[in-house]
Amino acid sequence: NAGVTQTPKFQVLKTGQSMTLQCAQDMNHEYMSWYRQDPGMGLRLIHYSVGAGITDQGEVPNGYNVSRSTTEDFPLRLLSAAPSQTSVYFCASSYDRGRNSPLHFGNGTRLTVT
Amino acid sequence: GIQVEQSPPDLILQEGANSTLRCNFSDSVNNLQWFHQNPWGQLINLFYIPSGTKQNGRLSATTVATERYSLLYISSSQTTDSGVYFCAVRRAGANNLFFGTGTRLTVIP
Repeated sequence: NAGVTQTPKFQVLKTGQSMTLQCAQDMNHEYMSWYRQDPGMGLRLIHYSVGAGITDQGEVPNGYNVSRSTTEDFPLRLLSAAPSQTSVYFCASSYDRGRNSPLHFGNGTRLTVT
Repeated sequence: GIQVEQSPPDLILQEGANSTLRCNFSDSVNNLQWFHQNPWGQLINLFYIPSGTKQNGRLSATTVATERYSLLYISSSQTTDSGVYFCAVRRAGANNLFFGTGTRLTVIP
């Protein structure tokens, strides 16, 4: 059972480049989300989805896009990378829209924007 | 959004010692979870505990929702307990978990 799988593990971008961080889960979870982790700031929610075809913004959505075409996949797109987006990105999922079940995290993607 | 405060921010223990980590939150919640981030960066869910007490081996957690706090107890600490412990809460009616800034635990052999 793979759980939540994120790719790539590491990425270096130049300012202005675009890329997609991949996230897939094999637990049939309805709820999926993206967080970024910066030193001293805990984890902050970027975007989330409560089911296929439904997405919404979190605390820090600017500069990021998401889509949820299937239950399993929830990619995060950086449209034009900026140094402020240097961070560790975590994808997470939970069973029943997150209301009454534990949140499971992927292993993270460390992104550096130069 | 809801405020989540964790204390202490840093804790250094000798192996075998016990510790208590605290999480205070500013509003009514119907979902509270504790996570451990190990030194390799992996986030592991320890407890889903919106109220009451749960135990899992050397770890236990108690949430007193009416008083807006939760406690994580670690007994007989081991070096593998090192890392950052996060508390996260969801306000009733909201969709998302908000995280505290964590307690960094270092267990010395």
